[in-house]
Amino acid sequence: DGGITQSPKYLFRKEGQNVTLSCEQNLNHDAMYWYRQDPGQGLRLIYYSQIVNDFQKGDIAEGYSVSREKKESFPLTVTSAQKNPTAFYLCASSIDRDSQQYFGPGTRLTVT
Amino acid sequence: KQEVTQIPAALSVPEGENLVLNCSFTDSAIYNLQWFRQDPGKGLTSLLLIQSSQREQTSGRLNASLDKSSGRSTLYIAASQPGDSATYLCAVKGSEETSGSRLTFGEGTQLTVNP
Repeated sequence: DGGITQSPKYLFRKEGQNVTLSCEQNLNHDAMYWYRQDPGQGLRLIYYSQIVNDFQKGDIAEGYSVSREKKESFPLTVTSAQKNPTAFYLCASSIDRDSQQYFGPGTRLTVT
Repeated sequence: KQEVTQIPAALSVPEGENLVLNCSFTDSAIYNLQWFRQDPGKGLTSLLLIQSSQREQTSGRLNASLDKSSGRSTLYIAASQPGDSATYLCAVKGSEETSGSRLTFGEGTQLTVNP
């Protein structure tokens, strides 16, 4: 059963703690993306990776970090430096950077 | 910098009505345009993708058009049903030169179809 999985669905953390969101895909896609969605706003790109061991900052990368050690996995760490981390986080993948993007179910992070 | 605007922000219609959602973008140098559907608390589902060389795409009761020169796209939904209730997002993929092939999203139109 092919697709993109994100875990957990809901995540709660205390302010000042780092937290890592998981994104896995078995679609054999080269490119993977992380977006953030806030109420009433469109998605904003945090980081993207076009190939293993390579990634680039998106529009709002400050306070976030990523790694791409395996083709299937693109974890996102929300660090304590991110000033307003509470949001809905969406991971996506595509065959290559120019192809249609497919999205995971999302992780809702709440930091108090 | 590419900007994408969707109008209206919210729309409520009776079941069976045909409707049009609008999307406009500021930079016409696009690679493609996608329409997505998002149910509350869920991820995005791709509905239609239009390449920059195309004028429209159709899937079932959905038809999306693209007028690149005027920076506009419309999503037409025929014979709307309560199950169509969701937020519809428009996203534009720019060229490598202008935006590094990134997707730029609009804020979405929240559609409610009343039985």
